[in-house]
Amino acid sequence: QKEVEQNSGPLSVPEGAIASLNCTYSDRGSQSFFWYRQYSGKSPELIMSIYSNGDKEDGRFTAQLNKASQYVSLLIRDSQPSDSATYLCAAHGSGNTGKLIFGQGTTLQVKP
Amino acid sequence: DGGITQSPKYLFRKEGQNVTLSCEQNLNHDAMYWYRQDPGQGLRLIYYSQIVNDFQKGDIAEGYSVSREKKESFPLTVTSAQKNPTAFYLCASSPRGLVNEQYFGPGTRLTVT
Repeated sequence: QKEVEQNSGPLSVPEGAIASLNCTYSDRGSQSFFWYRQYSGKSPELIMSIYSNGDKEDGRFTAQLNKASQYVSLLIRDSQPSDSATYLCAAHGSGNTGKLIFGQGTTLQVKP
Repeated sequence: DGGITQSPKYLFRKEGQNVTLSCEQNLNHDAMYWYRQDPGQGLRLIYYSQIVNDFQKGDIAEGYSVSREKKESFPLTVTSAQKNPTAFYLCASSPRGLVNEQYFGPGTRLTVT
């Protein structure tokens, strides 16, 4: 069973701090990885995608990928209360089905 | 405005009734997906379609059916055979190719009593 694992949290950080969200995946053939943000009662919103080893930065968000360790992370700098949400990690499985495997999500709470 | 629409936002049905959830996209995406989300849980794939007139079962297809007669539309029918149909249903679409980013519609919250 191909899996994506996340700590469900909640992860609580003070406003202005760096939030670090982590994810591991089991399928070594996975090539593409995605982070979605989901506010309570809403649908997931794509915020980052990463395809090669290393870091990818977009504003306050940095995605990190280490394929050797099968590890993906999302860093949120200068965390704001509006960042409080559930963050879903997803991996594109090997093969050409287009299917994504989602983790259960990590709930982030940013306290003012 | 390009995007994915799902209707209705909230749906209430009695047990034993079939119900169809609508999903339409004008992003010109080839692939479309249906997921189910239960409280405090991740997304589980019900059905997906990579091209018109073709679709495949996901991980939890029992009690559901779909059709893909048009590129823009991928309706999901929740049948009376689905044992626990109350959930948040999410439709997504994706362009084909190596980059398989999926974009989600706003979702339909189905309650069956």
